[in-house]
Amino acid sequence: NAGVTQTPKFRILKIGQSMTLQCAQDMNHNYMYWYRQDPGMGLKLIYYSVGAGITDKGEVPNGYNVSRSTTEDFPLRLELAAPSQTSVYFCASTVPGADTQYFGPGTRLTVL
Amino acid sequence: QKEVEQDPGPLSVPEGAIVSLNCTYSNSAFQYFMWYRQYSRKGPELLMYTYSSGNKEDGRFTAQVDKSSKYISLFIRDSQPSDSATYLCATPRMDSNYQLIWGAGTKLIIKP
Repeated sequence: NAGVTQTPKFRILKIGQSMTLQCAQDMNHNYMYWYRQDPGMGLKLIYYSVGAGITDKGEVPNGYNVSRSTTEDFPLRLELAAPSQTSVYFCASTVPGADTQYFGPGTRLTVL
Repeated sequence: QKEVEQDPGPLSVPEGAIVSLNCTYSNSAFQYFMWYRQYSRKGPELLMYTYSSGNKEDGRFTAQVDKSSKYISLFIRDSQPSDSATYLCATPRMDSNYQLIWGAGTKLIIKP
C-alpha cells in the first residue's frame, strides 16, 4: 500500500492564481481531512469528508473548496491565491474506530 | 482559552537526557490523548496514545495524564539525536466524529 499520497510536493503561485492540491489514499478509508500547518501554530482543519459525496467545513475553510467523488481521492482547490495561504498542506485519512489518522507527506505552497 | 495548549519551543537537550514534553487541556471531559511525532518535512505519525486513567509506557517513551491538573506529558528516556522532531499532542473533539483538537507542537532538538 502507498498509504496517503499528495501532489505536488512544492508549488509557488502568484497572487490571484488558482490550483488544485491532489490527495489519494489506497486504504479504503471513509474519513479524509485537509489541514494546513503554519510555524508554531499546529494543524488547522480546512475541510473534511466522511465519505464519497459528503464534505464539511473545518476551522479555516475560507478561500478553499473540496470535492469527494470517490473514496480514494480528496482534492483541495485554492481559488484566487493570497499570501495568507502560504503554508504546508497535509491530507490525512482514517476509518471509524481507528486509533489514528494517517498523513500524507505534505505540499509546501508559497504564494507571492 | 485554547482547548489544548502546548509550548512550541524549541526545546534543546543533550543526548541521553530525560525529556519532558507537556500539554494542558481545558475540558475535563476529554478522556483520550495522542502524541504524534513529526520529522522535518514529513507528515505527523502516531507515536502513542493514552486514556485519562493513567500512564502508558512503550520502550523509552511514557505518556502520562494528570486529570486533576488537566496536564498531559510525554517522557523520553535516554534521548537520542534521532528523537529530534516536533511532537504534537491531540485529543478527539467532543462534538464531531473523528476530528482532533491539536496542540501547537513542540520542536525538540537532541544535541549529540
